[in-house]
Amino acid sequence: GQNIDQPTEMTATEGAIVQINCTYQTSGFNGLFWYQQHAGEAPTFLSYNVLDGLEEKGRFSSFLSRSKGYSYLLLKELQMKDSASYLCAVMDSNYQLIWGAGTKLIIKP
Amino acid sequence: GAVVSQHPSWVICKSGTSVKIECRSLDFQATTMFWYRQFPKQSLMLMATSNEGSKATYEQGVEKDKFLINHASLTLSTLTVTSAHPEDSSFYICSARAPKGGTEAFFGQGTRLTVV
Repeated sequence: GQNIDQPTEMTATEGAIVQINCTYQTSGFNGLFWYQQHAGEAPTFLSYNVLDGLEEKGRFSSFLSRSKGYSYLLLKELQMKDSASYLCAVMDSNYQLIWGAGTKLIIKP
Repeated sequence: GAVVSQHPSWVICKSGTSVKIECRSLDFQATTMFWYRQFPKQSLMLMATSNEGSKATYEQGVEKDKFLINHASLTLSTLTVTSAHPEDSSFYICSARAPKGGTEAFFGQGTRLTVV
């Protein structure tokens, strides 16, 4: 079966760095996405990785290792507004998105 | 980026009535749209894939006669929740795949449905 695993909840301090991990097992791979979702709102796109390596975009970076079925989202200089759920999703061989359950990130002052 | 507009943002309806949710791609043509349901503190659950001009493909366990999907044009897909019951109360979100073979999915704002 297809499976996406990510931690349920993480807590970090304002100004610090946090890494949210995602492991996956899917039938085929056409890229991995990270989305941010604030409570009661639709997800917003953060990053897309299809090749191995690190993609940096401002305070957010995303890493992919296809051989390990592993990705992480790195958030630097955390701000209170970063408190949200972070969703990992993999596009399978049928170009369908398989979603993880999301990681709720709590930022403390 | 491409814009997907979903309407209404929230709706309260009486049990037994039907509710229609619209999903529009504002600046691109979306041949494929996706409908998701999300219960509190849970992940997005794909309900169905809506293809323009053809019948929607429903995920296992989703009642196609209860959740009617129409994708009559390249910019509009609708989800109608028929004979709604309190257990249908949820957050419904549509998304459309990026145009020109892109892989990113653009989401509508979501619709909070409460059935009383």
